[in-house]
Amino acid sequence: GENVGLHLPTLSVQEGDNSIINCAYSNSASDYFIWYKQESGKGPQFIIDIRSNMDKRQGQRVTVLLNKTVKHLSLQIAATQPGDSAVYFCAENRSQAGTALIFGKGTTLSVSS
Amino acid sequence: SQTIHQWPATLVQPVGSPLSLECTVEGTSNPNLYWYRQAAGRGPQLLFYSVGIGQISSEVPQNLSASRPQDRQFILSSKKLLLSDSGFYLCAWNAGQRNTEAFFGQGTRLTVV
Repeated sequence: GENVGLHLPTLSVQEGDNSIINCAYSNSASDYFIWYKQESGKGPQFIIDIRSNMDKRQGQRVTVLLNKTVKHLSLQIAATQPGDSAVYFCAENRSQAGTALIFGKGTTLSVSS
Repeated sequence: SQTIHQWPATLVQPVGSPLSLECTVEGTSNPNLYWYRQAAGRGPQLLFYSVGIGQISSEVPQNLSASRPQDRQFILSSKKLLLSDSGFYLCAWNAGQRNTEAFFGQGTRLTVV
């Protein structure tokens, strides 16, 4: 089964708002996490990643936070735009899975103008 | 730069027919290659991964098989398709080290009728 999950299947926000998408993981051996964005009918696109020796990483308009104590990962999108509408997945690299990424269920982000 | 090609984009096949999906990567050597399947509303599920020519690891028991005849070519096959093989198939690659992002192809939508 999937042990990388997201708290909410859907999130609706207004354009310009900040969005927060959450993910919980259960495998304490996981040491690398990624957020992907997937638009309908397309393959997942890399957004941002974080290693377990960090608790925060920032990109352009996006920030990933990692709380290893509670095994929680979040993606923050600043000034959300209609083009951010997509399904967002967190994925983890578990030590026993080699280099393969294991995905959670996904959150659908809908941005209205 | 590296690119990944996956084809066809869509495929409709009758039950019991064979399947061959192809994926090629350009611009890199010795990639790790992956086949994922994604059900509607779910995250991609890892099916197979390969760390080198002729080396295939299967993650879940199924009606499918994978082969890697060349360094940058990964093929997903079936001798006889089942209705349950319908789904969105994704090929991906990464640089063969742990804790690196995977890059995905655009996917193949397979419908078995």
